[in-house]
Order: sequence, then structure tokens, then C-alpha cells
Amino acid sequence: GQQVMQIPQYQHVQEGEDFTTYCNSSTTLSNIQWYKQRPGGHPVFLIQLVKSGEVKKQKRLTFQFGEAKKNSSLHITATQTTDVGTYFCAGQDSGTYKYIFGTGTRLKVLA
Amino acid sequence: DADVTQTPRNRITKTGKRIMLECSQTKGHDRMYWYRQDPGLGLRLIYYSFDVKDINKGEISDGYSVSRQAQAKFSLSLESAIPNQTALYFCATSDLIEDEQFFGPGTRLTVL
Repeated sequence: GQQVMQIPQYQHVQEGEDFTTYCNSSTTLSNIQWYKQRPGGHPVFLIQLVKSGEVKKQKRLTFQFGEAKKNSSLHITATQTTDVGTYFCAGQDSGTYKYIFGTGTRLKVLA
Repeated sequence: DADVTQTPRNRITKTGKRIMLECSQTKGHDRMYWYRQDPGLGLRLIYYSFDVKDINKGEISDGYSVSRQAQAKFSLSLESAIPNQTALYFCATSDLIEDEQFFGPGTRLTVL
């Protein structure tokens, strides 16, 4: 079945450093979503990418969807302590329309 | 999100007991989902429903069943709970046009 892997599983950075998490699917995706889960909280939607090669920005966050629609990345510039949490990608299967979540990347930011 | 509520928020039960987790939403969304979250495994889809008469198995449906009683309500049942069903369970909703999923606060279930 479809699998969505994320790397790295954990990342510790100093405040002000950049951070990137990568998402890879075993199959071609219809679209991909990104979510953030704060410690003790629930996942919250960040963004959706639909087009091949699409790049979207939200302030310090840059999201990219690969040309083959099988991979995606989230890059945070100059991390802040408020960026702490787990970041999940979720890829939509083109046949069933259900979303498969990645394993997540837990980000810790050291002040 | 306050528009998606889950009850109970925490539950401790024993092996073999029947458990029901409930989810209600006031967002008017047709689509509802049940996920479980385990450390290092992310969110795994248990069941999903695209409307009241539609129920679909997700990645890990064995040992679970669901009921979509109304557009706003989607319940998850564990007929005979076992310890490896100890996890954090999330309900989520979405609509047909805006695909983003809105998650409830989660239910932490412990099976002893």
C-alpha cells in the first residue's frame, strides 16, 4: 500500500537556525498537505500544495511539491521557539482520495 | 478546534472491555475520519466516511468498528479492547471543496 515517509524523525536546532523536513511517497500524489502539532495539542492545517513543482510561502515557512508529485519539503527560516512541535505531511491517494500521513518530524528549538 | 469535540478525553479500561469513542462536529462537514497516533508512527487512518451512508476502512481497521449516526456524529468502537490499542485517538472533519482537515482535541485511551 501507499507509504509516506518523513525525515528526519527528530531535529534540534538553535534559535535562529534554519530547519527542513522532507516527505517522500511511494506513489504519485494528487496533492499534499502539511500540519503542525504543538506538544500536547492536535494537528493544525498549515497548507495544501496541488501542482507539480509548486512553491508556497507563509512568512518564514516555505513549502515545495516535487515535480513528480511524490515528494515535498517544508523549510523554516530563522527558527523561533514558537516553531516547536511536530510537523506532518499528508499525501492524498489519487485513487481512494484518502490522506496518508507521514511519520512526522519533531522539532525542538533551543533558545 | 472547538468545532470538533471528542468524548471522553481520557479513558482507562481493561482488556476485553467494549469501548466507544464519540466525535461530534458543528462545522457542517460531510467527511469525517478517525486516526490513531502512536509515538514514531505518526497518524494512521482507521476509518473514514464521506457522507452518512458511506463508511470506508483505513490503514488499520482491524479490531475497530464505526458508526455514522448523523452528518455531525461519527463514533469509533473497540469491541474487545487489547493493550496494543493504547494510543491517542483523533477525530477529524473536512468538506468536499476545502480539503483541510479539522482535528478534535483527541482521546487518550489506555488499555490495561
